[in-house]
Amino acid sequence: QVQLQESGPGLVKPPETLSLTCTVSGGSVSSGGYYWNWIRQSPGKGLEWIGYISHSGSTNYNPSLKSRVTMSVDTSKNQFSLKLSPVTAADTAVYYCARMTSSWFDSWGQGTLVTVSS
Amino acid sequence: EVVLTQSPGTLSLSPGERATLSCRASQSVRSSYLAWYQQQPGQAPRLLIYGASSRATGIPDRFSGSGSGTDFTLTISRLEPEDFAVYHCQQYGMSPVLTFGGGTKVEIK
Repeated sequence: QVQLQESGPGLVKPPETLSLTCTVSGGSVSSGGYYWNWIRQSPGKGLEWIGYISHSGSTNYNPSLKSRVTMSVDTSKNQFSLKLSPVTAADTAVYYCARMTSSWFDSWGQGTLVTVSS
Repeated sequence: EVVLTQSPGTLSLSPGERATLSCRASQSVRSSYLAWYQQQPGQAPRLLIYGASSRATGIPDRFSGSGSGTDFTLTISRLEPEDFAVYHCQQYGMSPVLTFGGGTKVEIK
């Protein structure tokens, strides 16, 4: 059973860069047929899809965030990463990594809270 | 952008009752690209339904999904204590590729 785990700083100052990594276990980011996603949830709000990256490195980002987002994949470490820059207080949220198969998310990380504050 | 509107925002019911949750899309969504998730407080969402009506692995048969086009429904036939949670619908395929609804909270009456 695949498991995903987010890691990274819990506090980021504006207008710096938010950097998170998702480590995959029990499966491989190199597996075909899956897309590796980042999703966030602001306190008390709904879910917002940030984007995905495939094992080959092709990406698709939410247009509302596209200018600030970069995703990458490291198959040797079985990880994928998110960079968001520059950040503002509006980027404070719980960030989830998730595996997408076909068109739905079948596995999620537990989530990590990132607070943007000076 | 496809906007998903979930209603009601909050549903107050008692254990054993039937819950009917709505997800309405601003444009037609392919049924195969509509999913539902359950989220307990402090936890990540869990996949319940994919392809509008297929239950995910391990999901009890009291959960069912239906609908097509712009109107989709999640039904919980008899609420168990562990079913009180927030439910999200999600679509894939129309720009910006993937969106979620605002969620429906099912709370104990």
